[in-house]
Amino acid sequence: DIQMTQSPSSVSASVGDRVTITCRASQGIASWLAWYQQKPGKAPKLLIYAASNLQSGVPSRFSGSGSGTDFTLTISSLQPEDFAIYYCQQASSFPLTFGGGTKVEIK
Amino acid sequence: QVTLKESGPVLVKPTETLTLTCTVSGFSLSNSRMGVSWIRQSPGKAPEWLAHIFSNDEKSYNTSLRSRLTISKDTYKSQVVLTMTNMDPVDTATYSCARSNFWSGYYVFWFDPWGQGTLVTVSS
Repeated sequence: DIQMTQSPSSVSASVGDRVTITCRASQGIASWLAWYQQKPGKAPKLLIYAASNLQSGVPSRFSGSGSGTDFTLTISSLQPEDFAIYYCQQASSFPLTFGGGTKVEIK
Repeated sequence: QVTLKESGPVLVKPTETLTLTCTVSGFSLSNSRMGVSWIRQSPGKAPEWLAHIFSNDEKSYNTSLRSRLTISKDTYKSQVVLTMTNMDPVDTATYSCARSNFWSGYYVFWFDPWGQGTLVTVSS
């Protein structure tokens, strides 16, 4: 199985800050990576697919990059509604696997 | 509008079999470009993918849970069913179904949308 490792596990930031979350795959997955945002009591919401493609309706302050084993999710200017948990997920091969999550908290 | 909705018991006893149903609307389970996965999330934990079913009825399962899982579909009822045998308290989680997609000529396994999820508690 492909292991997905996210860092940091949590980050404290202020509104307007730039936040970067990293995700590393245990083996190469090309660009078959998705990022999700999850708020309490809600299902995960797809933000980024194929490593760098913004899902329709997602604000442009979110961006993704990377390929192979190393990926990043960047929030260019953190907004109050962005405080949530973020997960990466590899979509390269079964079994599909998720990272452990990064909680973005208010500083 | 594409929606998925999970249904099933909220409480099961240890050793029992869990049966969950995902009812979809806005797309057909016979659509060759669509598939449905079941994903669970224990409280405070990351999502864990469980199983996927393709339009041609091909299936794929989580490696460590394979022996306990069965996924099936009823295209006419627009339903995808997951059964999990020998339930244990560690299986307490929110169980969700979600749709996979087709993108740039590829069958892709990122999920949008998801159902709202159903919380299943395993306790005697």
